Amino acid sequence: QQQVRQSPQSLTVWEGETAILNCSYENSAFDYFPWYQQFPGEGPALLISILSVSDKKEDGRFTIFFNKREKKLSLHIADSQPGDSATYFCAASEGMGYKLTFGTGTSLLVDP
Amino acid sequence: DMKVTQMPRYLIKRMGENVLLECGQDMSHETMYWYRQDPGLGLQLIYISYDVDSNSEGDIPKGYRVSRKKREHFSLILDSAKTNQTSVYFCASSSHGESSYEQYFGPGTRLTVL
Repeated sequence: QQQVRQSPQSLTVWEGETAILNCSYENSAFDYFPWYQQFPGEGPALLISILSVSDKKEDGRFTIFFNKREKKLSLHIADSQPGDSATYFCAASEGMGYKLTFGTGTSLLVDP
Repeated sequence: DMKVTQMPRYLIKRMGENVLLECGQDMSHETMYWYRQDPGLGLQLIYISYDVDSNSEGDIPKGYRVSRKKREHFSLILDSAKTNQTSVYFCASSSHGESSYEQYFGPGTRLTVL
């Protein structure tokens, strides 16, 4: 079964808009949630991460909102740029451990 | 410059042939990983290596084996490749210090098994 789910599968926004990518999980023991960004032909790269003790994490234009009770989190990309066009993976692990469980990804296209 | 390298980048094999995928990292990371990525499935963990000769199965180890004889090098071996092992394979490494759990990924190897 898919322990980490992402929606939507694909998303198109205009340049300057805020893109919202959603993620949900089933395992209550998950406490570390990184988001990885992947461009075509490249490996994923860590974008931003949050621990379950926090409900919000900001890094420039990127913000994670985390709701532990509902087991949901979202990645907000403010002032989206064409260079943000990529696939974004939500992942999770227990005890900030080694084994990450990845979602299936959201493909974001930012139209100029 | 922190880097994970993978060789080869592209590989075509026939069913039943043996396959060797190589991964290297220059960060002295203890932990290394092999994933495969298929459309619509995200990244699936095949094997994890906690250090030299300390390997553990991931979520989908069947049909694969690994070798880690040096900290900076991690190999994925497919004995008698199957067509359903056609995929993009990613290697990653990490060091679990006090504040960082980031996995650094290589550029991937696209394997086609005919």
